[in-house]
Amino acid sequence: AQKITQTQPGMFVQEKEAVTLDCTYDTSDPSYGLFWYKQPSSGEMIFLIYQGSYDQQNATEGRYSLNFQKARKSANLVISASQLGDSAMYFCAMRERNNAGNMLTFGGGTRLMVKP
Amino acid sequence: EAQVTQNPRYLITVTGKKLTVTCSQNMNHEYMSWYRQDPGLGLRQIYYSMNVEVTDKGDVPEGYKVSRKEKRNFPLILESPSPNQTSLYFCASSLGWTGLNSPLHFGNGTRLTVT
Repeated sequence: AQKITQTQPGMFVQEKEAVTLDCTYDTSDPSYGLFWYKQPSSGEMIFLIYQGSYDQQNATEGRYSLNFQKARKSANLVISASQLGDSAMYFCAMRERNNAGNMLTFGGGTRLMVKP
Repeated sequence: EAQVTQNPRYLITVTGKKLTVTCSQNMNHEYMSWYRQDPGLGLRQIYYSMNVEVTDKGDVPEGYKVSRKEKRNFPLILESPSPNQTSLYFCASSLGWTGLNSPLHFGNGTRLTVT
């Protein structure tokens, strides 16, 4: 079974609007972390935001916030006030405490395109 | 500047010709790993290393070798490349592997084409 599922292969958003990128995960480990990475067309992987399984509050980093719903096993990324530079691939990833060797398990990604 | 450096950025080769992709980090990180990225599959781990002389297989190790003789370097070796190894490869490192919130720092990627 897929550990990380991103059901939106591609999305469009109008500049200055907010957008939500979906991520669901599957784990039986009570201790885990969830990450979002951005990959622009230049190819590098840029760390955006982290949420721990025991964190009480949803993580926020500037225009990025993580809508963490533990019971539903979802960790959606919300980008507020989209900018043209937000056009990129976005990957959700998970780290499980009991799987130290594999630091991150990635989803298939969502390509976000911001329209001017 | 703290970074993970991979070389080369682009590589085109032929089936069976041995190649090495180098990876070096200047952050004194214990943990290093190689991933390959394929459309629709995200990134999948090839090999990882928790410290010098300690390496182990990830999810897709077949056809690859690694070594970790020094802390900063973690080369990826393809002894006999095949077309199904055409992919985008990333090296990554992290300060430690015990903290859940330690992010991975990625290199800029190596795009490999095997004909």
